Amino acid sequence: DAKTTQPTSMDCAEGRAANLPCNHSTISGNEYVYWYRQIHSQGPQYIIHGLKNNETNEMASLIITEDRKSSTLILPHATLRDTAVYYCIVRVANSGYALNFGKGTSLLVTP
Amino acid sequence: GAVVSQHPSRVICKSGTSVKIECRSLDFQATTMFWYRQFPKKSLMLMATSNEGSKATYEQGVEKDKFLINHASLTLSTLTVTSAHPEDSSFYICSARDDSSYNTGELFFGEGSRLTVL
Repeated sequence: DAKTTQPTSMDCAEGRAANLPCNHSTISGNEYVYWYRQIHSQGPQYIIHGLKNNETNEMASLIITEDRKSSTLILPHATLRDTAVYYCIVRVANSGYALNFGKGTSLLVTP
Repeated sequence: GAVVSQHPSRVICKSGTSVKIECRSLDFQATTMFWYRQFPKKSLMLMATSNEGSKATYEQGVEKDKFLINHASLTLSTLTVTSAHPEDSSFYICSARDDSSYNTGELFFGEGSRLTVL
Protein backbone atom coordinates (compact mmCIF):
# COMPACT_ATOMS: atom_id res chain seq x y z
CA ASP A 1 0.00 0.00 0.00
CA ALA A 2 1.18 3.50 -0.75
CA LYS A 3 2.35 5.61 2.17
CA THR A 4 0.40 8.63 3.37
CA THR A 5 1.52 11.79 5.15
CA GLN A 6 -0.78 13.76 7.44
CA PRO A 7 -0.22 16.66 9.83
CA THR A 8 0.15 15.52 13.41
CA SER A 9 -2.55 17.77 14.80
CA MET A 10 -5.07 20.43 13.85
CA ASP A 11 -7.54 22.69 15.61
CA CYS A 12 -10.92 23.79 14.38
CA ALA A 13 -13.60 26.02 15.88
CA GLU A 14 -16.99 24.46 16.45
CA GLY A 15 -19.35 25.16 13.57
CA ARG A 16 -16.58 25.83 11.09
CA ALA A 17 -15.40 23.52 8.35
CA ALA A 18 -12.52 21.21 9.22
CA ASN A 19 -10.23 20.51 6.27
CA LEU A 20 -7.86 17.62 6.86
CA PRO A 21 -5.12 17.14 4.25
CA CYS A 22 -3.39 13.94 3.22
CA ASN A 23 -0.48 13.42 0.86
CA HIS A 24 -0.18 10.15 -1.02
CA SER A 25 2.22 10.93 -3.84
CA THR A 26 3.06 7.28 -4.57
CA ILE A 27 -0.53 6.13 -4.95
CA SER A 28 -1.12 3.51 -7.64
CA GLY A 29 -3.88 3.61 -10.22
CA ASN A 30 -5.95 0.93 -8.52
CA GLU A 31 -5.60 2.24 -4.98
CA TYR A 32 -8.44 3.97 -3.20
CA VAL A 33 -8.20 6.64 -0.50
CA TYR A 34 -9.98 5.69 2.71
CA TRP A 35 -10.67 7.88 5.72
CA TYR A 36 -11.38 6.56 9.19
CA ARG A 37 -11.52 8.27 12.53
CA GLN A 38 -11.02 7.07 16.07
CA ILE A 39 -12.64 8.80 18.98
CA HIS A 40 -10.82 8.24 22.24
CA SER A 41 -11.15 4.69 23.60
CA GLN A 42 -13.36 3.53 20.73
CA GLY A 43 -12.77 1.46 17.62
CA PRO A 44 -12.13 3.23 14.33
CA GLN A 45 -15.15 4.46 12.39
CA TYR A 46 -15.36 4.41 8.61
CA ILE A 47 -15.97 7.87 7.13
CA ILE A 48 -15.62 7.81 3.38
CA HIS A 49 -13.50 6.53 0.52
CA GLY A 50 -12.88 7.37 -3.11
CA LEU A 51 -10.84 6.54 -6.18
CA LYS A 52 -10.56 9.72 -8.23
CA ASN A 53 -13.89 11.52 -8.16
CA ASN A 54 -14.91 13.70 -5.25
CA GLU A 55 -17.25 11.95 -2.86
CA THR A 56 -19.79 13.15 -0.33
CA ASN A 57 -21.87 11.39 2.26
CA GLU A 58 -23.73 12.34 5.41
CA MET A 59 -20.52 12.58 7.40
CA ALA A 60 -18.02 14.30 5.14
CA SER A 61 -16.74 15.20 1.71
CA LEU A 62 -13.60 13.85 0.12
CA ILE A 63 -11.75 15.96 -2.41
CA ILE A 64 -9.07 14.17 -4.44
CA THR A 65 -6.70 16.17 -6.63
CA GLU A 66 -6.65 15.45 -10.33
CA ASP A 67 -3.21 13.81 -10.13
CA ARG A 68 -4.47 11.83 -7.10
CA LYS A 69 -1.34 12.66 -5.14
CA SER A 70 -3.24 14.31 -2.34
CA SER A 71 -6.71 14.57 -0.87
CA THR A 72 -8.67 16.56 1.67
CA LEU A 73 -11.34 15.36 4.03
CA ILE A 74 -13.88 18.06 4.79
CA LEU A 75 -16.18 18.06 7.80
CA PRO A 76 -18.50 20.91 6.78
CA HIS A 77 -19.69 21.97 10.24
CA ALA A 78 -17.44 20.53 12.90
CA THR A 79 -18.91 19.73 16.30
CA LEU A 80 -17.20 18.89 19.57
CA ARG A 81 -18.01 15.23 18.93
CA ASP A 82 -15.80 15.33 15.84
CA THR A 83 -12.72 15.58 18.07
CA ALA A 84 -10.80 12.43 17.13
CA VAL A 85 -7.76 11.06 15.36
CA TYR A 86 -8.36 10.95 11.60
CA TYR A 87 -6.57 8.37 9.49
CA CYS A 88 -6.00 8.59 5.75
CA ILE A 89 -5.21 5.17 4.27
CA VAL A 90 -4.45 4.18 0.69
CA ARG A 91 -5.27 0.67 -0.38
CA VAL A 92 -6.47 -1.51 -3.21
CA ALA A 93 -10.23 -1.92 -2.76
CA ASN A 94 -10.64 -5.63 -3.27
CA SER A 95 -7.51 -6.58 -1.40
CA GLY A 96 -7.83 -9.30 1.17
CA TYR A 97 -5.45 -7.44 3.41
CA ALA A 98 -6.04 -5.37 6.51
CA LEU A 99 -5.86 -1.60 6.75
CA ASN A 100 -2.48 -0.28 7.82
CA PHE A 101 -2.87 2.68 10.13
CA GLY A 102 -0.32 5.47 10.29
CA LYS A 103 -0.23 8.11 12.98
CA GLY A 104 -3.15 10.13 11.64
CA THR A 105 -4.16 13.68 12.44
CA SER A 106 -5.43 14.53 15.89
CA LEU A 107 -8.27 17.00 15.34
CA LEU A 108 -9.39 19.12 18.26
CA VAL A 109 -12.67 20.95 17.84
CA THR A 110 -12.92 23.83 20.26
CA PRO A 111 -16.02 25.70 21.52
CA GLY B 1 -23.95 0.53 8.36
CA ALA B 2 -22.51 -2.85 9.23
CA VAL B 3 -22.07 -3.51 12.95
CA VAL B 4 -19.22 -5.34 14.63
CA SER B 5 -19.58 -6.12 18.30
CA GLN B 6 -16.81 -6.99 20.74
CA HIS B 7 -17.15 -8.53 24.16
CA PRO B 8 -16.09 -7.82 26.81
CA SER B 9 -15.43 -4.11 26.46
CA ARG B 10 -13.28 -4.12 29.57
CA VAL B 11 -11.59 -6.95 31.42
CA ILE B 12 -9.22 -7.09 34.34
CA CYS B 13 -7.40 -10.30 35.08
CA LYS B 14 -4.59 -11.64 37.18
CA SER B 15 -1.20 -12.39 35.72
CA GLY B 16 -1.00 -15.95 34.41
CA THR B 17 -4.67 -16.32 33.55
CA SER B 18 -6.20 -16.49 30.07
CA VAL B 19 -8.72 -14.08 28.64
CA LYS B 20 -11.02 -14.59 25.66
CA ILE B 21 -12.32 -11.70 23.57
CA GLU B 22 -15.17 -12.23 21.13
CA CYS B 23 -15.76 -10.36 17.89
CA ARG B 24 -19.10 -10.73 16.13
CA SER B 25 -20.40 -9.33 12.87
CA LEU B 26 -24.04 -8.71 13.70
CA ASP B 27 -25.67 -8.12 10.34
CA PHE B 28 -23.27 -9.49 7.78
CA GLN B 29 -21.05 -12.43 7.10
CA ALA B 30 -17.31 -12.05 7.37
CA THR B 31 -14.99 -14.69 6.04
CA THR B 32 -12.07 -12.51 7.06
CA MET B 33 -11.57 -10.64 10.31
CA PHE B 34 -8.54 -8.79 11.62
CA TRP B 35 -7.21 -8.29 15.13
CA TYR B 36 -5.36 -5.15 16.14
CA ARG B 37 -3.66 -3.99 19.32
CA GLN B 38 -3.27 -0.39 20.38
CA PHE B 39 -1.07 0.94 23.15
CA PRO B 40 -1.74 4.35 24.75
CA LYS B 41 -1.21 7.28 22.37
CA LYS B 42 -0.09 4.92 19.62
CA SER B 43 -1.69 3.87 16.39
CA LEU B 44 -3.36 0.52 15.73
CA MET B 45 -0.98 -2.35 15.04
CA LEU B 46 -2.19 -5.37 13.11
CA MET B 47 -1.70 -8.60 15.03
CA ALA B 48 -3.25 -11.23 12.80
CA THR B 49 -5.65 -12.03 10.01
CA SER B 50 -8.37 -14.49 10.87
CA ASN B 51 -10.02 -16.56 8.14
CA GLU B 52 -13.09 -18.67 8.73
CA GLY B 53 -12.28 -22.35 8.78
CA SER B 54 -8.51 -21.99 8.54
CA LYS B 55 -5.54 -21.00 10.63
CA ALA B 56 -4.90 -17.36 11.35
CA THR B 57 -1.99 -15.53 9.78
CA TYR B 58 0.10 -13.68 12.33
CA GLU B 59 2.18 -10.57 11.80
CA GLN B 60 5.88 -10.71 12.47
CA GLY B 61 6.65 -10.55 16.16
CA VAL B 62 3.22 -11.70 17.31
CA GLU B 63 3.35 -15.01 19.18
CA LYS B 64 0.70 -17.36 17.83
CA ASP B 65 0.82 -19.58 20.89
CA LYS B 66 0.14 -16.63 23.14
CA PHE B 67 -2.59 -15.01 21.08
CA LEU B 68 -4.87 -17.83 20.00
CA ILE B 69 -7.35 -16.94 17.28
CA ASN B 70 -10.35 -19.03 16.33
CA HIS B 71 -12.74 -18.15 13.50
CA ALA B 72 -15.23 -20.98 13.63
CA SER B 73 -18.13 -19.29 11.88
CA LEU B 74 -18.77 -16.51 9.39
CA THR B 75 -19.88 -14.18 12.16
CA LEU B 76 -17.56 -14.93 15.06
CA SER B 77 -13.85 -14.71 15.71
CA THR B 78 -12.25 -15.04 19.13
CA LEU B 79 -8.89 -13.91 20.47
CA THR B 80 -7.56 -15.66 23.55
CA VAL B 81 -4.66 -14.09 25.38
CA THR B 82 -3.03 -17.02 27.15
CA SER B 83 -1.02 -16.73 30.34
CA ALA B 84 -1.48 -12.98 30.33
CA HIS B 85 1.17 -10.70 31.78
CA PRO B 86 1.07 -6.99 32.57
CA GLU B 87 2.82 -6.16 29.30
CA ASP B 88 -0.18 -7.66 27.47
CA SER B 89 -2.36 -4.89 28.87
CA SER B 90 -3.66 -3.04 25.84
CA PHE B 91 -6.68 -2.07 23.76
CA TYR B 92 -7.61 -4.93 21.42
CA ILE B 93 -9.75 -4.13 18.39
CA CYS B 94 -11.25 -6.43 15.81
CA SER B 95 -12.27 -5.59 12.28
CA ALA B 96 -14.35 -7.39 9.70
CA ARG B 97 -14.99 -7.14 6.00
CA ASP B 98 -18.51 -7.68 4.73
CA ASP B 99 -18.35 -10.57 2.26
CA SER B 100 -21.07 -8.96 0.16
CA SER B 101 -19.15 -5.69 -0.28
CA TYR B 102 -15.74 -7.13 -0.98
CA ASN B 103 -15.12 -4.85 -3.92
CA THR B 104 -15.63 -1.61 -2.02
CA GLY B 105 -13.03 -2.56 0.51
CA GLU B 106 -14.14 -0.79 3.65
CA LEU B 107 -13.64 -2.56 6.93
CA PHE B 108 -15.87 -2.26 9.99
CA PHE B 109 -14.46 -2.14 13.47
CA GLY B 110 -15.61 -3.30 16.87
CA GLU B 111 -15.75 -1.02 19.89
CA GLY B 112 -12.53 -2.45 21.27
CA SER B 113 -11.71 -4.43 24.40
CA ARG B 114 -9.48 -2.95 27.06
CA LEU B 115 -7.43 -5.59 28.84
CA THR B 116 -5.69 -4.83 32.11
CA VAL B 117 -3.45 -7.52 33.55
CA LEU B 118 -2.55 -7.09 37.21
